[in-house]
Amino acid sequence: KAGVTQTPRYLIKTRGQQVTLSCSPISGHRSVSWYQQTPGQGLQFLFEYFSETQRNKGNFPGRFSGRQFSNSRSEMNVSTLELGDSALYLCASSSHHQETQYFGPGTRLLVL
Amino acid sequence: GDSVTQMEGPVTLSEEAFLTINCTYTATGYPSLFWYVQYPGEGLQLLLKATKADDKGSNKGFEATYRKETTSFHLEKGSVQVSDSAVYFCALMSGGSNYKLTFGKGTLLTVNP
Repeated sequence: KAGVTQTPRYLIKTRGQQVTLSCSPISGHRSVSWYQQTPGQGLQFLFEYFSETQRNKGNFPGRFSGRQFSNSRSEMNVSTLELGDSALYLCASSSHHQETQYFGPGTRLLVL
Repeated sequence: GDSVTQMEGPVTLSEEAFLTINCTYTATGYPSLFWYVQYPGEGLQLLLKATKADDKGSNKGFEATYRKETTSFHLEKGSVQVSDSAVYFCALMSGGSNYKLTFGKGTLLTVNP
């Protein structure tokens, strides 16, 4: 079974731009979670989706948003990029809530 | 709120040495506990997990026991290899409608030949 895939793997943007990242979960998994990883703050939870509904959201500004499609694929969007948004963005999927989360390779975003 | 505290390292060992990475947690209810490993330039890989008190998770020679009385989930391996060099993260997921992992800050392990 294929693992979690994320596209693109690397991205360079400039301040003020917006960016959309994509995540395809493991086949059959309906829950998708997003995390931000930075050297200073570590791994922080962004949001989680299940069956196209956001069930939980972390403490990030409204510039960070996401959605999930009927095929369970998910996208996250960051608008008005700031230098501090430079990070590795990780997506994880699980079969249902409270189950183990399996991570993708991440998208490394650099904001200049 | 939920939190995870793990020794930050870095930890440097010689091949075949014994490894312990300490992890303690604070959580509401009865969380599930996890160890993830991250190799350079990659995402997180699940190493092992335990879902209730006294459970022992194990994988690839690594072990960790869920200790409710000490709120701990220490990672151990009897004989490390160079290929074990990576960053190790302890994490928890609380019960209820939480749906998120709370991570420790990670421990960088370097194993020298």
